[in-house]
Amino acid sequence: EVALVESGGGLVQPGGSLRLSCAASGFTFSSYWMHWVRQVPGKGLVWVSRIDDEGSSSGYADSVKGRFTISRDNAKNTLFLQMNSLRAEDTAVYYCVRQNYGPWDFDYWGRGILVTVSS
Amino acid sequence: SYELTQPPSVSVSPGQTANITCSGDHLEHKYVSWYQQRPGQSPVVVMFHDYKRPSGIPERFSGSNSGNTATLTISETQAMDEADYYCQAWDTSTVFGAGTKLTVL
Repeated sequence: EVALVESGGGLVQPGGSLRLSCAASGFTFSSYWMHWVRQVPGKGLVWVSRIDDEGSSSGYADSVKGRFTISRDNAKNTLFLQMNSLRAEDTAVYYCVRQNYGPWDFDYWGRGILVTVSS
Repeated sequence: SYELTQPPSVSVSPGQTANITCSGDHLEHKYVSWYQQRPGQSPVVVMFHDYKRPSGIPERFSGSNSGNTATLTISETQAMDEADYYCQAWDTSTVFGAGTKLTVL
């Protein structure tokens, strides 16, 4: 059974850093592109970042470009999101998501992890 | 940047048909997926590639995409269908609609 489990969230001050991890199991992790999607509580879904199956290509939403870095360790079946220079508007639940056929089609979502940026 | 427009809310009586729309420029030329999100839960895909239903999703759910509008149709709506529904497409990046709250009255 496919499982995506996020960790590393919590409370951080503005300007601080946080590293999210997503442990994947139940599928061949190295064969799938992966994404991070975030959601402010009570609001809609917002795409954040994606990485190809080999970890050689990545993309970011304009709102996080230059501050966030996505990476993966295929040997450890783990996806990461390094978040620097955090702002209050980065406060959200962050979901680790598996891409199916293309970046318009996400077939498995983690439970999400809350990141709160506040002083 | 590309935008997808959804109605904020749709109401339907139990047993009736709910239609949730998603509009975007030349949307028919893009693949559209739909996600259901119940309160406190993660999104679940209920439709992909416009009209394909994942395993485990009831046949009551169907999808279409024509012109500038994609539609998720839920027939014989049940109380358990009450949730937020998001459409998704890809332009130069992944885009989600703002979501539609489906209320089953």
